[in-house]
Amino acid sequence: DAKTTQPNSMESNEEEPVHLPCNHSTISGTDYIHWYRQLPSQGPEYVIHGLTSNVNNRMASLAIAEDRKSSTLILHRATLRDAAVYYCILRMNRDDKIIFGKGTRLHILP
Amino acid sequence: DTGVSQDPRHKITKRGQNVTFRCDPISEHNRLYWYRQTLGQGPEFLTYFQNEAQLEKSRLLSDRFSAERPKGSFSTLEIQRTEQGDSAMYLCASSLTGAENSPLHFGNGTRLTVT
Repeated sequence: DAKTTQPNSMESNEEEPVHLPCNHSTISGTDYIHWYRQLPSQGPEYVIHGLTSNVNNRMASLAIAEDRKSSTLILHRATLRDAAVYYCILRMNRDDKIIFGKGTRLHILP
Repeated sequence: DTGVSQDPRHKITKRGQNVTFRCDPISEHNRLYWYRQTLGQGPEFLTYFQNEAQLEKSRLLSDRFSAERPKGSFSTLEIQRTEQGDSAMYLCASSLTGAENSPLHFGNGTRLTVT
């Protein structure tokens, strides 16, 4: 499975934007980039995914580098409820199982 | 959409006992996954089903673990002769193949403590 590298933890102030980086230098042409997050005491939840173009949804934005070797999850205005572990995952096709790494633990400071 | 439900939420058992967990997926979802998560780690894939067929099992799934999805709806995960190393959160997820992106929808897990 292609690997991703994320910082172990990050901090951000409430109501400010947060940029969560992910490196995936061994990505193949058919890998989709997915992000999930896991709030305390809950199962993971889907956040966003993309292939080549930047993507926006109601939860976040995904910025993908032109060479696709890195991507950034953007939370436009962090709230305390966004404190979670964020996982960046490569998925070869839409029906593949999801393989999780350790993710980035995001702390939001009030 | 009632989401994925797992039962029980917590289970404490003594080493050597057998335990069984249940997962009810979102009703129209044909894929069902089991994961295990220990403290500070991401979820680890164990196995998945498409309808009633078990399509893949991780090497993490020892002979003491067995999963079933007899009618392609709910699933059970049984651990026989539990060991302390089995203590973890067991997560179930479901998805619909062919759907846009086919995101996995997770339940909130069953936390197992083996004493």
